[in-house]
Amino acid sequence: LAKTTQPISMDSYEGQEVNITCSHNNIATNDYITWYQQFPSQGPRFIIQGYKTKVTNEVASLFIPADRKSSTLSLPRVSLSDTAVYYCLVGLLGYIPTFGRGTSLIVHP
Amino acid sequence: DAGVIQSPRHEVTEMGQEVTLRCKPISGHDYLFWYRQTMMRGLELLIYFNNNVPIDDSGMPEDRFSAKMPNASFSTLKIQPSEPRDSAVYFCASSFTGRTEAFFGQGTRLTVV
Repeated sequence: LAKTTQPISMDSYEGQEVNITCSHNNIATNDYITWYQQFPSQGPRFIIQGYKTKVTNEVASLFIPADRKSSTLSLPRVSLSDTAVYYCLVGLLGYIPTFGRGTSLIVHP
Repeated sequence: DAGVIQSPRHEVTEMGQEVTLRCKPISGHDYLFWYRQTMMRGLELLIYFNNNVPIDDSGMPEDRFSAKMPNASFSTLKIQPSEPRDSAVYFCASSFTGRTEAFFGQGTRLTVV
C-alpha cells in the first residue's frame, strides 16, 4: 500500500473553503485515492474517490494533479458540522481500507 | 437497508470477563471488517472476512481475541479474558467485492475496569 502523509490538524472558520492535502509519493499506476470522514462518536464514512484530475460530488471535490503524487480534498464553505477527522487512503479498487491518523479539522464559529 | 448494525453500543465489564461484540453487515456485502480505535493507536484493522472466511487476522492483538462469521449476516468478536488495555471503540464494517467504499457501523464502546 502506498504510504500517505497528511497534516495532523487544521483549523478553519464557518463559510471558508478548506483544502486538505495528502501526499502519496509512491502511488502505483492502478491505485485510487479515497477519502473518508469520521465524525465524533461515529464510524468513518466514505466521501469521495478519484483516479486523476478532478472529482466532485455533493460533499466535496477531489483534485489530483497529473503526477498523482498528491491529492487535495476541498470542502466548500464549511460549517460547524464539518468538524471531523478526514482520512486519505490510497490503493487498488476494492483493497482493504487501512487508515492512518487522518487530519482533524476543527471549524470555528 | 439499515446499514451495518453493531451491538451492544456500550459495554462495561470487569477485567477477566468474556466480552462478545456482534455485527450484522449490509445484506449482499461479501467483505466484513473488524477495526479497533483508540487515541493512542488510531483506527486499526483487526481481521477481515471474505464470503464468511477469515482472510487476514494479522491485526488481532493476542490470542485472547477471536472472531467468527458463521453466516453471511452475522459476525462476532470475542475477547476472553478481557483486560483494561482492551478498552476502545470497536467498529465493524462491510463492503462489496471490487468496491473500496466500506460502510461502518456505529461502533461498540468497550470499557474494561
